[in-house]
Amino acid sequence: GAVVSQHPSRVICKSGTSVKIECRSLDFQATTMFWYRQFPKQSLMLMATSNEGSKATYEQGVEKDKFLINHASLTLSTLTVTSAHPEDSSFYICSAVPGLNQPQHFGDGTRLSIL
Amino acid sequence: AQSVTQLGSHVSVSEGALVLLRCNYSSSVPPYLFWYVQYPNQGLQLLLKYTSAATLVKGINGFEAEFKKSETSFHLTKPSAHMSDAAEYFCAVTGGGGYQKVTFGIGTKLQVIP
Repeated sequence: GAVVSQHPSRVICKSGTSVKIECRSLDFQATTMFWYRQFPKQSLMLMATSNEGSKATYEQGVEKDKFLINHASLTLSTLTVTSAHPEDSSFYICSAVPGLNQPQHFGDGTRLSIL
Repeated sequence: AQSVTQLGSHVSVSEGALVLLRCNYSSSVPPYLFWYVQYPNQGLQLLLKYTSAATLVKGINGFEAEFKKSETSFHLTKPSAHMSDAAEYFCAVTGGGGYQKVTFGIGTKLQVIP
């Protein structure tokens, strides 16, 4: 149980393109999802907390107009990297919480490469 | 606020030897603590969690961890390392339950030598 699916697993695109990443909870409903960014050989850095039906809460230093988050349903949150540039290349990982006092369950991540 | 310190970014053990990955935490409230494992180009998989119940927590793949409040530690151990244990391990803390944000350590890369 508690499976989180993330799609796509890998994206390669040109600079200036907008890229959408989907995070789905397959067998549970998630009112809260999290989006992380992981640089090579580093830990996960929380970008934002996504709440179903309301605006996402962004961490300090994360551009909300650059990284658009939509949590339209209890099983889907999307992260859109707008007008992506090479410095946005990274590994993006989402997680979802299946219930109160439960640990986060992670998707398999999306490797984004901007040329 | 909470934080996690993982001692040793790289740990090497021989196959069959004891695995010990160190984690110390800081939290202003009773913490929930987790260990996650990450294989290359994959997300994180939960190994085990401490949520204020038993201090010795057993997880998947033969791993266990002990919560020691006096030492503010939550070290991960496994009696006998397998080659398949080679991966990156992250200790994480959250300030209690609910839907709290999780703070991750920098990770420890475990190498298993045949």
